[in-house]
Amino acid sequence: QKEVEQDPGPLSVPEGAIVSLNCTYSNSAFQYFMWYRQYSRKGPELLMYTYSSGNKEDGRFTAQVDKSSKYISLFIRDSQPSDSATYLCAMGSPSKIIFGSGTRLSIRP
Amino acid sequence: DSGVTQTPKHLITATGQRVTLRCSPRSGDLSVYWYQQSLDQGLQFLIQYYNGEERAKGNILERFSAQQFPDLHSELNLSSLELGDSALYFCASSAQGGTEAFFGQGTRLTVV
Repeated sequence: QKEVEQDPGPLSVPEGAIVSLNCTYSNSAFQYFMWYRQYSRKGPELLMYTYSSGNKEDGRFTAQVDKSSKYISLFIRDSQPSDSATYLCAMGSPSKIIFGSGTRLSIRP
Repeated sequence: DSGVTQTPKHLITATGQRVTLRCSPRSGDLSVYWYQQSLDQGLQFLIQYYNGEERAKGNILERFSAQQFPDLHSELNLSSLELGDSALYFCASSAQGGTEAFFGQGTRLTVV
């Protein structure tokens, strides 16, 4: 079983839609939870970072962590074509950061 | 700009050769991670160093090795290169192990 599971997509939604991206994990040692955005083979860019269960909001982005279910989500409101990218979840423990395989998202104008 | 610098940006080399990829972490970050991303693949964790010492190993081949120097920069050495080693190699750094990591722009390695 992979430590982090993420649906690879692709996911295509119309502009303005709410997007929900999800990951599950199996290792209880993970303490930090992150979402990254990667444009066409560029370096991943950190979007959201949290270390506790609950919601964290930053503009149009909301990260949600449920440690009891080992489930994290990223919501994008009012999606824009510029949000089209691959989104990677990541889980961190003191010894490592493990990434999901990434979900390819396309926002249709 | 993440503050993480990787050199070179591109590298083309022949099978059987050896190359060295370099990473300078963000100022003050003690932890360096190396990842491999093949075409249409996710990020595969290779290895982590923390303040000069190896902290964790992932799916790193025996032909690959890395080190972190006293000035905290890191090098990833790839030897006996094969066509399948062609990929993007990313370095990331974080202040501590496991906390938010910031990525460099990657080194695109092409083995011909």
